[in-house]
Amino acid sequence: EVQLVESGGVVVQPGGSLRLSCAASGFTFDDYAMHWVRQAPGKGLEWVSLISWDGGSTYYADSVKGRFTISRDNSKNSLYLQMNSLRAEDTALYYCAKAKHTYYYDSSGYYPFDYWGQGTLVTVSS
Amino acid sequence: DIQMTQSPSSLSASVGDRVTITCRASQGISNYLAWYQQKPGKVPKLLIYAASTLQSGVPSRFSGSGSGTDFTLTISSLQPEDVATYYCQKYNSAPPFTFGPGTKVDIK
Repeated sequence: EVQLVESGGVVVQPGGSLRLSCAASGFTFDDYAMHWVRQAPGKGLEWVSLISWDGGSTYYADSVKGRFTISRDNSKNSLYLQMNSLRAEDTALYYCAKAKHTYYYDSSGYYPFDYWGQGTLVTVSS
Repeated sequence: DIQMTQSPSSLSASVGDRVTITCRASQGISNYLAWYQQKPGKVPKLLIYAASTLQSGVPSRFSGSGSGTDFTLTISSLQPEDVATYYCQKYNSAPPFTFGPGTKVDIK
């Protein structure tokens, strides 16, 4: 059974830093790209970041570019999001999500998200 | 970047009604379109991908269609358990993997 368990969400002051973690199990972690998606309270879904299966490629939403860094440790089946220079508008529930297909599924390279964690809440407030 | 819009933003329908939600991309995305269902207080769930392919385990009353810029999600016979917010998402070519703003569906 695929499981994604996020952790690390806390209350942090504006300008502060935080690292979120996502522990993955139930699938061959290093075969899949992984994503972070966030949802502000009462709002819609916002894609945040993508990392390729081997960590060699990373992408970010404009709203977090230069402040957030996605990474992974395939030996630990873990995904991370380092969040710096946090702002009030970063307050959200942060989900990690798994790409539906392996990196070798076809040539398109980009897939929807078939499993999501339960999320970890980040609150940026003084 | 490609923008995604959805209509309506909310709807109320009776049990057994046919419900249609529209998603539009600001540029063509071929069929790289997914639909997600998020029930209140729950995690988003993948319903449909490649515009019209039903994810395993999803009831057959859900269907998707479209290509290019215009897409629809149809619930053929609305059930009480379908109360949720539905999001479309584009995933063609390079990121961002933009979501639509969502359509909230409830029972009349």
